[in-house]
Amino acid sequence: NAGVTQTPKFQVLKTGQSMTLQCAQDMNHEYMSWYRQDPGMGLRLIHYSVGAGITDQGEVPNGYNVSRSTTEDFPLRLLSAAPSQTSVYFCASTEQGVSGNTIYFGEGSWLTVV
Amino acid sequence: AQSVTQLGSHVSVSEGALVLLRCNYSSSVPPYLFWYVQYPNQGLQLLLKYTTGATLVKGINGFEAEFKKSETSFHLTKPSAHMSDAAEYFCALSGSARQLTFGSGTQLTVLP
Repeated sequence: NAGVTQTPKFQVLKTGQSMTLQCAQDMNHEYMSWYRQDPGMGLRLIHYSVGAGITDQGEVPNGYNVSRSTTEDFPLRLLSAAPSQTSVYFCASTEQGVSGNTIYFGEGSWLTVV
Repeated sequence: AQSVTQLGSHVSVSEGALVLLRCNYSSSVPPYLFWYVQYPNQGLQLLLKYTTGATLVKGINGFEAEFKKSETSFHLTKPSAHMSDAAEYFCALSGSARQLTFGSGTQLTVLP
């Protein structure tokens, strides 16, 4: 019962480097999303996907790309990392239920850009 | 547009005292409301959620919250704080979309 799995948990990047944060869910949820968490700001939505092949921007999409080739996977790409992208990143997967939606979060990825 | 406001970025209580964490929301559609807890260097764990029906919602670890539409509030309470309750707590709202809008969080400190 893995739920939402994120890798890596910790990463240090140099400014200008690229990397991909991986996210996978085994619950067959159509809806997945990425958030970033910064002190005093809660979590903010970066990108989301309503199903394979469909993605859209959230509140803070600049500097990030996503794709959704399968229902299970939703990777987040930083093409040219900047210090402002130092943050904690959470992937989430949403279960739609009769009594409302339940959002499941991964364990988080701590990213530092130097 | 929807928003969540958590009153008090830091709250301190003595062990055994009442815990009250405040959350107010704004939503143009009937909201789904959530409380999450985050322990240091860990992910978010769902404490409880309100969707429809009973306005008093009970969650894990002895927490509960009451949805008050007239006050647009969803405050989190626990009758008796325990040291293990020290964490950051987030109130969140989901309206017509399936993503969440989060409050800025409240850091709860429990004093011995």
